[in-house]
Amino acid sequence: QKEVEQNSGPLSVPEGAIASLNCTYSDRGSQSFFWYRQYSGKSPELIMFIYSNGDKEDGRFTAQLNKASQYVSLLIRDSQPSDSATYLCAVNTGGFKTIFGAGTRLFVKA
Amino acid sequence: GAGVSQTPSNKVTEKGKYVELRCDPISGHTALYWYRQSLGQGPEFLIYFQGTGAADDSGLPNDRFFAVRPEGSVSTLKIQRTERGDSAVYLCASSPSNTGELFFGEGSRLTVL
Repeated sequence: QKEVEQNSGPLSVPEGAIASLNCTYSDRGSQSFFWYRQYSGKSPELIMFIYSNGDKEDGRFTAQLNKASQYVSLLIRDSQPSDSATYLCAVNTGGFKTIFGAGTRLFVKA
Repeated sequence: GAGVSQTPSNKVTEKGKYVELRCDPISGHTALYWYRQSLGQGPEFLIYFQGTGAADDSGLPNDRFFAVRPEGSVSTLKIQRTERGDSAVYLCASSPSNTGELFFGEGSRLTVL
């Protein structure tokens, strides 16, 4: 079992819709959870982090964490074509090691 | 500059050669990470430095890979006897804390012929 699992996609949504990206992790001791965005040919860029169960909102982005289910999600409201990228879920497993999933490719159609 | 700087941006080498990749982190960031990313995959953890010491090198694939950070700032990833399977983008990231908020450089693309 991979430590951090994501559906590779592609996930295609129309402009203005809500994009929902999901991630599960295997280490129950994980403490910090991150979403990175990576445009093609570029390096990952941190967009959200969450440490506690529940929701965290930042602009059009909402991160959701459920530690009991070992599940993290990212919602993007009012999706824009510029949101088209690969979204990487990352988990800090303690001991300062951060493990990444393989990423979900998102396409927002204009 | 304000961001993480990596050099070279591209490196093409022949199988069996030695390669060094350099990372200059954001000033003041004590944590430094090396990752490797292959096409279609997420970044794969290689090594983490806190200050000058390698706090976790469990991701280094074998003893051909080695990294140093002698003065707690710039780091060099060294690959001996390169193999075609080493071809990837090598990403360096620094962090102001130990919580996983990583700031990545643009990467060094290594191609082993």
